[in-house]
Amino acid sequence: AQKVTQAQTEISVVEKEDVTLDCVYETRDTTYYLFWYKQPPSGELVFLIRRNSFDEQNEISGRYSWNFQKSTSSFNFTITASQVVDSAVYFCALSEFRDDKIIFGKGTRLHILP
Amino acid sequence: EAGVAQSPRYKIIEKRQSVAFWCNPISGHATLYWYQQILGQGPKLLIQFQNNGVVDDSQLPKDRFSAERLKGVDSTLKIQPAKLEDSAVYLCASSLEGEAGNTIYFGEGSWLTVV
Repeated sequence: AQKVTQAQTEISVVEKEDVTLDCVYETRDTTYYLFWYKQPPSGELVFLIRRNSFDEQNEISGRYSWNFQKSTSSFNFTITASQVVDSAVYFCALSEFRDDKIIFGKGTRLHILP
Repeated sequence: EAGVAQSPRYKIIEKRQSVAFWCNPISGHATLYWYQQILGQGPKLLIQFQNNGVVDDSQLPKDRFSAERLKGVDSTLKIQPAKLEDSAVYLCASSLEGEAGNTIYFGEGSWLTVV
């Protein structure tokens, strides 16, 4: 069965620090897709990134970077030089090839302190 | 491009009353989803439509929840009668096609409080 675990319930860091959000997943499929979404206080889930299981290249987008490691079934998200606007709940999610539904982790609430 | 639109944003009702939420997906998106997000948890899929047909409603509490997408565009989710445990954010989402790996885009959600 597919499962997404975000062990960090809540993290607080001071502005400009780097922070990494952990995500561990379980799946029986060899083809699957991983996602990260951001949920600011307004409530909308904002899509950040999608990664398929055959592409293990790390990705960088501005201050955001993602580290995908199939060997450890992890898809971690790092924010470099954090800003107050990064404060939100971040969700990691998984979609298996055999099933088009997205399964979400419980989320990590990130507080960036000024 | 307009995003997923939902209304109302906030609703407070008493238990045993009914409530309806409306969603208009991104133009051209064939697949529409309703998710329930209870405070402190990740979203949980309630129902998935492909055009106007139901693809998956296995986690929809059918004794009190119903949803329709009559013309394959906008959708309504209804709860009748509401229970206290239905207090949650109801998120509507859409994607181009219901294929694995397709990015799902979410609306701002409808926040329901049942008292």
